[in-house]
Amino acid sequence: EDQVTQSPEALRLQEGESSSLNCSYTVSGLRGLFWYRQDPGKGPEFLFTLYSAGEEKEKERLKATLTKKESFLHITAPKPEDSATYLCAVQGPGANSKLTFGKGITLSVRP
Amino acid sequence: GAVVSQHPSWVICKSGTSVKIECRSLDFQATTMFWYRQFPKQSLMLMATSNEGSKATYEQGVEKDKFLINHASLTLSTLTVTSAHPEDSSFYICSVLWGQQETQYFGPGTRLLVL
Repeated sequence: EDQVTQSPEALRLQEGESSSLNCSYTVSGLRGLFWYRQDPGKGPEFLFTLYSAGEEKEKERLKATLTKKESFLHITAPKPEDSATYLCAVQGPGANSKLTFGKGITLSVRP
Repeated sequence: GAVVSQHPSWVICKSGTSVKIECRSLDFQATTMFWYRQFPKQSLMLMATSNEGSKATYEQGVEKDKFLINHASLTLSTLTVTSAHPEDSSFYICSVLWGQQETQYFGPGTRLLVL
């Protein structure tokens, strides 16, 4: 069974204070690892997909990296508008494209 | 990416009634849609996979007679919660499968409160 563990559960940063969010996963044959952002009371917003160890992707202040066991979402010089819950999900080898999600990391950035 | 809408955005109903939630793909034809449920501070839990023109595939532990899914067209899937009870109160979110890389794009969600 695919498993995804995210840590820490919550993270409070000062504006400009860089940090990383961790996503550890167990899957028999990774097809893709996904990062989403979710604001309170809204559906998840797609950020990145990573497919193989060593791959990196960037978007504005966010950078996602992938190893064979975990993924990191690095946030550089965060701003208050980056405050949200960040979800990690894995897609296993099945043909049905199902995602298994972690519980998410709630990020708060203070001005 | 894909644009997905849900209706209604929130609904309050009495215990024992049925509630229908719509999920629409606005800018492309979605062969596959997914329905999730999310409880406060919990992960998104997949309920079922909806395929256009065929029966939905339900995850283990999800009652198919209670959560009726209809994917009658390439732009619309509906989830009907039958005989709703307070424990069905949750945030229901749909997604569509988009592109060759099979990325899921999510709707804005529907908050259901059963009194």
